[in-house]
Amino acid sequence: ETAVFQTPNYHVTQVGNEVSFNCKQTLGHDTMYWYKQDSKKLLKIMFSYNNKQLIVNETVPRRFSPQSSDKAHLNLRIKSVEPEDSAVYLCASSLQGVSNERLFFGHGTKLSVL
Amino acid sequence: GDSVTQTEGQVALSEEDFLTIHCNYSASGYPALFWYVQYPGEGPQFLFRASRDKEKGSSRGFEATYDKGTTSFHLRKASVQESDSAVYYCALGLSSGSWQLIFGSGTQLTVMP
Repeated sequence: ETAVFQTPNYHVTQVGNEVSFNCKQTLGHDTMYWYKQDSKKLLKIMFSYNNKQLIVNETVPRRFSPQSSDKAHLNLRIKSVEPEDSAVYLCASSLQGVSNERLFFGHGTKLSVL
Repeated sequence: GDSVTQTEGQVALSEEDFLTIHCNYSASGYPALFWYVQYPGEGPQFLFRASRDKEKGSSRGFEATYDKGTTSFHLRKASVQESDSAVYYCALGLSSGSWQLIFGSGTQLTVMP
């Protein structure tokens, strides 16, 4: 049963445009994440947020920025998209953000940059 | 640095075959180890985890045993079904500084009827 909701499911845009993806979790978790999944299915963490504080930022280009209004929401903005940004962006949450916790993922947002 | 290696990129089996997907890790101490499964059009789903040496995790007929000696957490299932076709990820939970989950490269399992 899905408890991490992402919108939109798909987005097609052109190089240089700005895009924003939404993510909401209804699990009451404290920590949320964004992962990027490329065409080879490789999963790389981009950001994690705990109580509105950025915890991890893994060498992500500056055009990417997470935005959080409360602990249930973590959106992702890309200021000026590049062709290499084409990927599936997966949002996830976990209870507290500690090492043995499971992550709950949304279904992903597929971005295509023309 | 800390990493997870999955040997098989793709595995093709017939129903009722035995499955092994190899996972080896590189990290200090006792990191938490996980298996996730991803079906088409969905995000990865937690399968199970283990946190200490010789601990066995299992779910839905899949199992893996944490082996610190060989730094491995191989996924096994005695008899696969067509519905098991999916991408399987081994993952490592790191807690040095800040916590994060590092995924292996994934293994596409295809089970033919």
